[in-house]
Amino acid sequence: DAKTTQPTSMDCAEGRAANLPCNHSTISGNEYVYWYRQIHSQGPQYIIHGLKNNETNEMASLIITEDRKSSTLILPHATLRDTAVYYCIVRRHTGTASKLTFGTGTRLQVTL
Amino acid sequence: DAGITQSPRHKVTETGTPVTLRCHQTENHRYMYWYRQDPGHGLRLIHYSYGVKDTDKGEVSDGYSVSRSKTEDFLLTLESATSSQTSVYFCAISERPDALYNEQFFGPGTRLTVL
Repeated sequence: DAKTTQPTSMDCAEGRAANLPCNHSTISGNEYVYWYRQIHSQGPQYIIHGLKNNETNEMASLIITEDRKSSTLILPHATLRDTAVYYCIVRRHTGTASKLTFGTGTRLQVTL
Repeated sequence: DAGITQSPRHKVTETGTPVTLRCHQTENHRYMYWYRQDPGHGLRLIHYSYGVKDTDKGEVSDGYSVSRSKTEDFLLTLESATSSQTSVYFCAISERPDALYNEQFFGPGTRLTVL
């Protein structure tokens, strides 16, 4: 699975959009981009995933560049409860058990 | 929240002793996973299971064994605990291996300290 690069930390004011970037320049055509987050002392939580089209759900939007070498997770109106470590993961759908490889993620701090 | 529990939630043990962590699910999901989380490493997969009695190694499986005798339970055993196995351990489950949609649900974690 392709390696990802994320900033170590970011700050965002409450109510503003949080835009979390992820670089995955070695991504191959059959690899998906997934985002999970981990709130302090809890297990990771799935947010969203996509292949090449932009995706939106009730939690966030995922914007993938046309060349698929990078993506951005957007939390449209960040709240204090969105303070967490956000993981960008790239992986293939292999038909076998879905192993996720987590990097060190981006620590998002939402402030008043 | 998905029905996943882990026990114990906290454990302190001594080097050389065997330790077993339990993951229990009520979702009847086929796939189960054990991860460990350490500062600077994110989460790393230890072992996973794709069915009763069907398991395979992850990226950091040395020193660990697993067993799955029932769909709902996945046990992680540290055969002889070492200080390097001090970590937070997370269990996860998923309904299907791969699809257009792949979500893993994680348990609350077990904090293990090996002295």
